[in-house]
Amino acid sequence: AQSVSQHNHHVILSEAASLELGCNYSYGGTVNLFWYVQYPGQHLQLLLKYFSGDPLVKGIKGFEAEFIKSKFSFNLRKPSVQWSDTAEYFCAVTNSNTGKLIFGQGTTLQVKP
Amino acid sequence: ETGVTQSPTHLIKTRGQQVTLRCSSQSGHNTVSWYQQALGQGPQFIFQYYREEENGRGNFPPRFSGLQFPNYSSELNVNALELDDSALYLCASSSRDRGYYEQYFGPGTRLTVT
Repeated sequence: AQSVSQHNHHVILSEAASLELGCNYSYGGTVNLFWYVQYPGQHLQLLLKYFSGDPLVKGIKGFEAEFIKSKFSFNLRKPSVQWSDTAEYFCAVTNSNTGKLIFGQGTTLQVKP
Repeated sequence: ETGVTQSPTHLIKTRGQQVTLRCSSQSGHNTVSWYQQALGQGPQFIFQYYREEENGRGNFPPRFSGLQFPNYSSELNVNALELDDSALYLCASSSRDRGYYEQYFGPGTRLTVT
């Protein structure tokens, strides 16, 4: 069965620290990969996506993610976090046949000012 | 461009009752997917509708059912509510015809079953 695993459940950082959130998925076929963010009191928003091509993708607000096919990973990074990045982050995967999104459990990021 | 909207925002129901949640898709989108997000968990796929037909279903019992209308809006119906149905229900719309599965989410309906 397809699954997504996010290794960090709760991350606390100080402003200006670097961020890396891990995401691994289990699926053998062609996948589309996503990172969504849920700010407090707001709905899920797309941060970035990977469909094909350059495995290093850049999203909004300075976020980027790298798709490493051999490791089934799609880790999210940001060189310098801000207090406004405090949110819940979800990694998700879908295959090209169904469009069904499978989400990880989520990582709560708390950035201290 | 109008985003995805959902109604109602909050709902409190009693165990055994039935509930209907509504979703209006984003302009230009013809596919609607429904997800259940329990507290502290990631969203779980319930089902997807494409051109008024169910197009894939997750691991949810038949008492979870849905509809999609000609204008691509959608309803999620849950019969015989159970306490474990308490969750945030998310609707997401996308445009499958364009070959992408980038889904845009609505704000959700918070359902509490007592």
